[in-house]
Amino acid sequence: SQQGEEDPQALSIQEGENATMNCSYKTSINNLQWYRQNSGRGLVHLILIRSNEREKHSGRLRVTLDTSKKSSSLLITASRAADTASYFCAVQRGTSYGKLTFGQGTILTVHP
Amino acid sequence: GAGVSQSPRYKVAKRGQDVALRCDPISGHVSLFWYQQALGQGPEFLTYFQNEAQLDKSGLPSDRFFAERPEGSVSTLKIQRTQQEDSAVYLCASSEKRTSGGTDTQYFGPGTRLTVL
Repeated sequence: SQQGEEDPQALSIQEGENATMNCSYKTSINNLQWYRQNSGRGLVHLILIRSNEREKHSGRLRVTLDTSKKSSSLLITASRAADTASYFCAVQRGTSYGKLTFGQGTILTVHP
Repeated sequence: GAGVSQSPRYKVAKRGQDVALRCDPISGHVSLFWYQQALGQGPEFLTYFQNEAQLDKSGLPSDRFFAERPEGSVSTLKIQRTQQEDSAVYLCASSEKRTSGGTDTQYFGPGTRLTVL
């Protein structure tokens, strides 16, 4: 069973705009990760935020984590057509050998 | 260096056939995971190996699914008597260290798309 709920399920924007995706989860976690998946490159790790962190940046990506609300958001700034992909959040719990529990994903389309 | 590779990339099986899916992890990676991804869904955990030991197989959907990693490197996921509901993409991932409570990045292979007719 999948733990994460993501919204929106699909997002369509113009190049240059920002894209925000949200993820909620149900149980306590060790960390939360965001992945991107497209047909060309498979599933690629983007960024990891630990449970004791609130915000993290990597290039054009900004991730926030609110453990009290069990939610996270991924912001992609100045989007490009190449950002078109499905984006998944995934949680790792401390006692699960590191297995990832994924959400259902957000399909992002960036129009040139 | 080379990433995680999987073969075959595509597999079509008739219902009732047995299939074997191969995963070559990144050399030296201790941890290996198998996930199943149905169309339009996120990946779901199947099983975990630390070297050759299968430490978690809680996600395997039935006893028709069997995985092994006999020498702690290459892994094979075998599905016996395939059913239509087994149609999915099967993803393999590896990470460098044992991940009990850790935060190692998992590197995913391209997956094997299995279609059961």
